[in-house]
Amino acid sequence: SQQGEEDPQALSIQEGENATMNCSYKTSINNLQWYRQNSGRGLVHLILIRSNEREKHSGRLRVTLDTSKKSSSLLITASRAADTASYFCATLNGGNNDMRFGAGTRLTVKP
Amino acid sequence: NAGVTQTPKFQVLKTGQSMTLQCAQDMNHNSMYWYRQDPGMGLRLIYYSASEGTTDKGEVPNGYNVSRLNKREFSLRLESAAPSQTSVYFCASSGGLYSGNTIYFGEGSWLTVV
Repeated sequence: SQQGEEDPQALSIQEGENATMNCSYKTSINNLQWYRQNSGRGLVHLILIRSNEREKHSGRLRVTLDTSKKSSSLLITASRAADTASYFCATLNGGNNDMRFGAGTRLTVKP
Repeated sequence: NAGVTQTPKFQVLKTGQSMTLQCAQDMNHNSMYWYRQDPGMGLRLIYYSASEGTTDKGEVPNGYNVSRLNKREFSLRLESAAPSQTSVYFCASSGGLYSGNTIYFGEGSWLTVV
């Protein structure tokens, strides 16, 4: 079964607004990663947050992690039309290299 | 630097035919993966190889076989294709997930089984 589950499934906002996506997972993790996928392309890594971290920033991205709730959020500030893509969270499944992804959030940023 | 390269990009198969998806990475990564992506299902792990010489089943291995030919190459074989295997397949590699290394993906292979 999928380890991470993103919420919402789809999100549509206007350019300049902030976009928040959430991810819930089931088992203990070593780290949690967020990826982006443009239509028809492979996934690209955005940011990684370790289990002992609570918040991490990278440019316009802000990721939080709450291990007690087994959840993470990805915030994209001042969104741009070019941010239109699907966003996935990913976690290790158990104690091996089995990386599982959620179904993703489809973000549409309208110009 | 090519990263992860997978071939073919597009393929149409008839039910029962066999084919092999090829994947190669030039980043000297230990771990390699094959995922499939279906609408609304996200990515599901088919098989992975944590290191050269080892392979393990993922979430949806039935109907597939893999070969870790060497450190660079990891192939996925469909022995008898079925319409349910129509999907987009992604190969990926990583230096080692426990060290926090990220996964690098190929551009995908679109497979249609008719």
